[in-house]
Amino acid sequence: RKEVEQDPGPFNVPEGATVAFNCTYSNSASQSFFWYRQDCRKEPKLLMSVYSSGNEDGRFTAQLNRASQYISLLIRDSKLSDSATYLCVVINDYKLSFGAGTTVTVRA
Amino acid sequence: NAGVTQTPKFRILKIGQSMTLQCTQDMNHNYMYWYRQDPGMGLKLIYYSVGAGITDKGEVPNGYNVSRSTTEDFPLRLELAAPSQTSVYFCASNKGPQSSYNEQFFGPGTRLTVL
Repeated sequence: RKEVEQDPGPFNVPEGATVAFNCTYSNSASQSFFWYRQDCRKEPKLLMSVYSSGNEDGRFTAQLNRASQYISLLIRDSKLSDSATYLCVVINDYKLSFGAGTTVTVRA
Repeated sequence: NAGVTQTPKFRILKIGQSMTLQCTQDMNHNYMYWYRQDPGMGLKLIYYSVGAGITDKGEVPNGYNVSRSTTEDFPLRLELAAPSQTSVYFCASNKGPQSSYNEQFFGPGTRLTVL
């Protein structure tokens, strides 16, 4: 089983829609969790950390479910500029493990 | 600050050739990393360094070597390039151990094709 698994998508949504997707992780002792954003052929950039109680950053909401070992990302009121691949990242023993990414395409 | 810079941006190698991918950061970060990203796959850690003079293997180190003589530079050496090393290579750095408080910064990547 992979350490971090994501639905690759693509999720194709109209502007203004809400889109949500999950990421599962295999190591129950994982310490920290993040969502990174990667635009086509560019480097990953940190979108947000994921905290135990869940957290919001503008239109983005991240949740952590330790019992079921998954994290989620919800994007409200999607913009064209949200089109990207979203990478789930999990820290174990101070090393990052990356998911393969979920691709989101927002259409006009 | 330029952040993390990588050269070259693109390179085509023939099988058996060697090359060095350069990575420099100007944020005085102790921790530096090399990843490769294959199409449809997550980033895989090749090598990492926790400070000048200290390097360690990651998940996929075979066919690569690194050195860390200064805090700023962390070059990745490919000896005897093989088609399986065709990939996008990202260098990254962060201030301290991986945690919620230490964002990892990535360079723009080097696209390598081995024919």
